[in-house]
Amino acid sequence: AQSVTQPDIHITVSEGASLELRCNYSYGATPYLFWYVQSPGQGLQLLLKYFSGDTLVQGIKGFEAEFKRSQSSFNLRKPSVHWSDAAEYFCAVDGLVHGQNFVFGPGTRLSVLP
Amino acid sequence: DVKVTQSSRYLVKRTGEKVFLECVQDMDHENMFWYRQDPGLGLRLIYFSYDVKMKEKGDIPEGYSVSREKKERFSLILESASTNQTSMYLCASSSNTIYFGEGSWLTVV
Repeated sequence: AQSVTQPDIHITVSEGASLELRCNYSYGATPYLFWYVQSPGQGLQLLLKYFSGDTLVQGIKGFEAEFKRSQSSFNLRKPSVHWSDAAEYFCAVDGLVHGQNFVFGPGTRLSVLP
Repeated sequence: DVKVTQSSRYLVKRTGEKVFLECVQDMDHENMFWYRQDPGLGLRLIYFSYDVKMKEKGDIPEGYSVSREKKERFSLILESASTNQTSMYLCASSSNTIYFGEGSWLTVV
């Protein structure tokens, strides 16, 4: 069965610092991979996705993520964090039947210090 | 842009009431989903539908039912609301990417 782990429950960074959020997945083949952001009281917003091709993908709000097959990872990065990036971040994988079998990680809460 | 609209953002219902949560998507997606989200428990799938009038149970279907009479609309029904169903409910639709609505906060008193 597919699974997604996000090892960090909560991360705190200073505004302007770089950020990396970790995501590892378990799946037999190459899955479709996603990152979402959720602000308090809101739904999940798609940041970026990877289906195939270039393993470094760019997303909205200045985020990027890199797919590493050998490590079964899809880590999210941002070179300089803004206070408005404080939110919950979810990694997700879509496997067996694309479009129907989304599995979400537990989320990482990001706090940003001024 | 994909739009998933949940008609009610905040609801307060009494125990035993029948509750309808409505969701509409505008992208002609085949697949639609209902999740609930609780602190520390992440996203849990209640039901999903892959076609009109078709539904599949998710991880926590007990106490819920769904209806999909039209492709764009997916309703979640709480037949007899209970206090342990107080939660945030998220509707979503997908083709190869899943998109979410803004969420419906339900409080059962």
